[in-house]
Parts: sequence; C-alpha cells; structure tokens
Amino acid sequence: AQSVTQLGSHVSVSEGALVLLRCNYSSSVPPYLFWYVQYPNQGLQLLLKYTSAATLVKGINGFEAEFKKSETSFHLTKPSAHMSDAAEYFCAVSSNQAGTALIFGKGTTLSVSS
Amino acid sequence: GAVVSQHPSWVICKSGTSVKIECRSLDFQATTMFWYRQFPKQSLMLMATSNEGSKATYEQGVEKDKFLINHASLTLSTLTVTSAHPEDSSFYICSARRKDSSYEQYFGPGTRLTVT
Repeated sequence: AQSVTQLGSHVSVSEGALVLLRCNYSSSVPPYLFWYVQYPNQGLQLLLKYTSAATLVKGINGFEAEFKKSETSFHLTKPSAHMSDAAEYFCAVSSNQAGTALIFGKGTTLSVSS
Repeated sequence: GAVVSQHPSWVICKSGTSVKIECRSLDFQATTMFWYRQFPKQSLMLMATSNEGSKATYEQGVEKDKFLINHASLTLSTLTVTSAHPEDSSFYICSARRKDSSYEQYFGPGTRLTVT
C-alpha cells in the first residue's frame, strides 16, 4: 500500500522568501513521486516528477524537489517565492505497476504576501 | 503533447436529472483513464479506473450505478452522474495514462458540477 502525507495544510511566505512544502511517503515498492499545482477552478498541472533517475529533480517555474529514501521524503522547494506561486500544491505517489492510480496527499495551500 | 480535455467545463443541472462528462486524450492513446472527485479545499479522491474496452473498477464507497463510466475508445471516457442530487455537486477531474507509459498521468482541466 502507498500513502502520502503533506505536513502543513497552509504555508505563508513573503515574496522573495524560500518556499518549502513538505511531503513524506510510504510505499512497499520503489515509488514514483509527483508534485502538482492547482490554481483556482483549474485542473492539476505537473510541476515535477521523480522516476528513480536523479534524486534532485528540477521542475517548472523554478521549483525543485529532492528524493530522500532514508527520510521517505520528497519536499518541494523554490529559492524565491513570487506572487504567482500562490496556489494549492499536491504531492502524489504511484507504483510502476500498470493501471495503478495516483495517491494524493491532502494538499498544501501556499500564500505569498508582498 | 499529452493534452487531456474535459467537456463541459461547468454544468448546472436540476436535481433528478443526469449529466454526462467527457474526457478526451487529444494527442495520445490512453489505455487507462481515471476519474477523481474533489470537494472544495480538499484533495482528489479516486472514484474509478477505466480501461479501454472493459468495465470500470470502482473504489470502495463509490456507487457504480450512480456514476456510470464508459471507456469506449482509446481517446474517450465518459462519466455519467445519474439522478443527480445536490450532494453530487463537486469538481470532477479525469486523467489519462499514455499507452506507452506505466506511471505518468495527464490531467484534464476538470468539470464543475452544480446540482440545484
């Protein structure tokens, strides 16, 4: 069985500050891990994914995440927040078994203040 | 590439009527499509998994007679909410897995259903 825990349902940062969104996973098989962003009334947009290649994954909009097996974590970071980063962020896990759905965390709302 | 569309994007219907939502993979073949439901400020909850040409697999607690899923081709899946009630009001999101990929899903923009 797989699961994802996102620590902190709401994170607030100032514009220009570091963004850190936490995600821990549980998986009995090697995981595939994803971060998605959702803007109001829109579908999910893939930010980045980990597929067992490099442990440090770079995504769109300046985001990156590091896979740490020893800590079962896949935290999302961005060095400098922009106002446009304000959105809902979801961490998700999947196995490589065909037909397996994504398991999502509960999401973290990121607020950016000027 | 890998674009998924949903139609309609927003629908309002009266209680007791049925509503059909379409999910299309525009530029790839999708052997598997997933339907999720999202309540306000909550995460996505998987409703069902549909494979082309076979019956959908529903998650526990999802009424298969109420949420009819059809996956008739490699590019189209439909979700029909039958005899809709106000509690069915939600954001419905589909995703599609490429035929040549075992793990990545591409999401549609979602359909907001409001039942009055």
